[in-house]
Amino acid sequence: DGGITQSPKYLFRKEGQNVTLSCEQNLNHDAMYWYRQDPGQGLRLIYYSQIVNDFQKGDIAEGYSVSREKKESFPLTVTSAQKNPTAFYLCASSIGASSVYEQYFGPGTRLTVT
Amino acid sequence: RKEVEQDPGPFNVPEGATVAFNCTYSNSASQSFFWYRQDCRKEPKLLMSVYSSGNEDGRFTAQLNRASQYISLLIRDSKLSDSATYLCGRAGNTGKLIFGQGTTLQVKP
Repeated sequence: DGGITQSPKYLFRKEGQNVTLSCEQNLNHDAMYWYRQDPGQGLRLIYYSQIVNDFQKGDIAEGYSVSREKKESFPLTVTSAQKNPTAFYLCASSIGASSVYEQYFGPGTRLTVT
Repeated sequence: RKEVEQDPGPFNVPEGATVAFNCTYSNSASQSFFWYRQDCRKEPKLLMSVYSSGNEDGRFTAQLNRASQYISLLIRDSKLSDSATYLCGRAGNTGKLIFGQGTTLQVKP
């Protein structure tokens, strides 16, 4: 089955630790995105990648880093510099980086930092 | 003003009712719009894409009014299973989606 997988579903970390969230897709999509959702809020874009080995900052990139070494993988690292890291993190992908292409989401990772 | 705004609701309607939500946007150059449905603690799932004036899929109709800069979602004959949060997303040239905060719908028996 084609789709987007994110792991783990739940993640708990202590303050001051970096943590990496996994996102894999087997849809052969060029573009991939990371969003963050806080309770009662919409989604906010953290980083996006239009093609392998290239990525751009979204609206709230501070305290996060990404890599795109393979087409199917777009891991997100939440660093200790991120002031409020507890949130629901959603990865998405689309055929290409254009307004006409629909984005499809993975099941998300709930990160709790204490 | 936020780039994409939605009334958070909740909208409480009886089964069988027709309900409509609006989503207003501030960027007149917006290319495309998407409605997503999000169940509690789940990922958003694509409900409908809108590229021109509107789109219809069964009981769901989306209408885009570019002059007034809003897009609406109409749900006819509401079912209990329609209870969810509905997210409106606006796409720009690079494919980046800007989302509203979502509108919560509760359909009651």
